[in-house]
Amino acid sequence: GEDVEQSLFLSVREGDSSVINCTYTDSSSTYLYWYKQEPGAGLQLLTYIFSNMDMKQDQRLTVLLNKKDKHLSLRIADTQTGDSAIYFCAESADSWGKLQFGAGTQVVVTP
Amino acid sequence: EPEVTQTPSHQVTQMGQEVILRCVPISNHLYFYWYRQILGQKVEFLVSFYNNEISEKSEIFDDQFSVERPDGSNFTLKIRSTKLEDSAMYFCASNIAGVTYEQYFGPGTRLTVT
Repeated sequence: GEDVEQSLFLSVREGDSSVINCTYTDSSSTYLYWYKQEPGAGLQLLTYIFSNMDMKQDQRLTVLLNKKDKHLSLRIADTQTGDSAIYFCAESADSWGKLQFGAGTQVVVTP
Repeated sequence: EPEVTQTPSHQVTQMGQEVILRCVPISNHLYFYWYRQILGQKVEFLVSFYNNEISEKSEIFDDQFSVERPDGSNFTLKIRSTKLEDSAMYFCASNIAGVTYEQYFGPGTRLTVT
């Protein structure tokens, strides 16, 4: 069945870059997403990438996709304390369908 | 900026009681979803809804669950007879599709079954 895996925890110093990794198994995944969840809050869409793309950059965020290895990463440049949150990788096979989420990576930014 | 809203933010209920969780999706969106997140676990898909009918549902979405769009704005999730294991955060989401590819999530309703 479909599965999305992420490392559970990442600690990073303020000002450094964070890299959060994700692997997925569903070869029909067409859209891949990164969501952010702050404590007590809902899921905020950060960015998404289509499977026919290798990279997408959006301000401090860079998404890299290796479709052959089914590996997705999110790089946050110049990480700030406000970036402390849980980051979820998600995939879907179409633009309107269900999202399959990973377990989330807890990112802790230290001063 | 338009957003998905959910009420209540926190619902406490006794086991066996019925609960209705309410959502107001973004007004021009066509696809609606419910997800849940048991504390410390993955966000899990429950059901998707389009054109006034269920388009897909997960194994979790058994006969105890139902969804409805009673009017042009609300989208509800009903749990007929709650169990302790239904305690979770329930997220509503909506998607316009065809124009953008993002699902926008509401802030969630925390359901506590005692």
